[in-house]
Amino acid sequence: EVQLVQSGAEVKKPGESLKISCKGSGYTFTTYWIGWVRQMPGKGLEWMAVMHPGHSDTRYSPSSQDQVTVSADKSTNTAYLQWRSLKASDTAMYYCARPANRSSWFGFDLWGQGTLVTVSS
Amino acid sequence: QSALTQPASVSGSLGQSITISCTGTNSDVGGYNFVSWYQQHPGRAPKLMIHDVSNRPLGVSNRFSGSKSGNTASLTISGLQAEDEADYYCSSYTTSSTVEVFGSGTKVTVL
Repeated sequence: EVQLVQSGAEVKKPGESLKISCKGSGYTFTTYWIGWVRQMPGKGLEWMAVMHPGHSDTRYSPSSQDQVTVSADKSTNTAYLQWRSLKASDTAMYYCARPANRSSWFGFDLWGQGTLVTVSS
Repeated sequence: QSALTQPASVSGSLGQSITISCTGTNSDVGGYNFVSWYQQHPGRAPKLMIHDVSNRPLGVSNRFSGSKSGNTASLTISGLQAEDEADYYCSSYTTSSTVEVFGSGTKVTVL
């Protein structure tokens, strides 16, 4: 089965670091872009970043640039989203997603189940 | 980058047709055919309904259709059904930051 499985919910304090994961299976992981989307409580979707695990090309939205880092481990078919220093405003659901076509990063047709990150003192 | 503009809410009766608009600029919606539409039910991950302006992924009902005119993309849902009640988001490639941007979201209510 083609799927993306994300790591479990996290509760962190402001200033702590965090790395959440997204494991792809059922397809050739290195041939599709992987994107990350944020959804703050009760709010809309925000496009954060996208990365190609095969050649490591990475794009960030202006608001995510310098705030998070995306990476991937080809040996385990896993993508990561990490923070060096969390803020309360990072509290959100984070989704990883894969596009429908190998040739672009547009149109995410495969989604992970989401990872809820709560940052609170 | 600014989100694409969608109406906050749209409603329709069972069996009716509704259209959701997504307005951008010639740097995003108007300049490229990389417009997608997503459906999101509460507590669920989004689901791709339309990509590349008007293409439906396998398994998506043909009651959903997409189009574009100038800087505005549209999603039409025909034969409205109860299960269509959800939030809908458009997205588009944007040259203003060479990435992608989502719309503000539209809550669809089936009366």
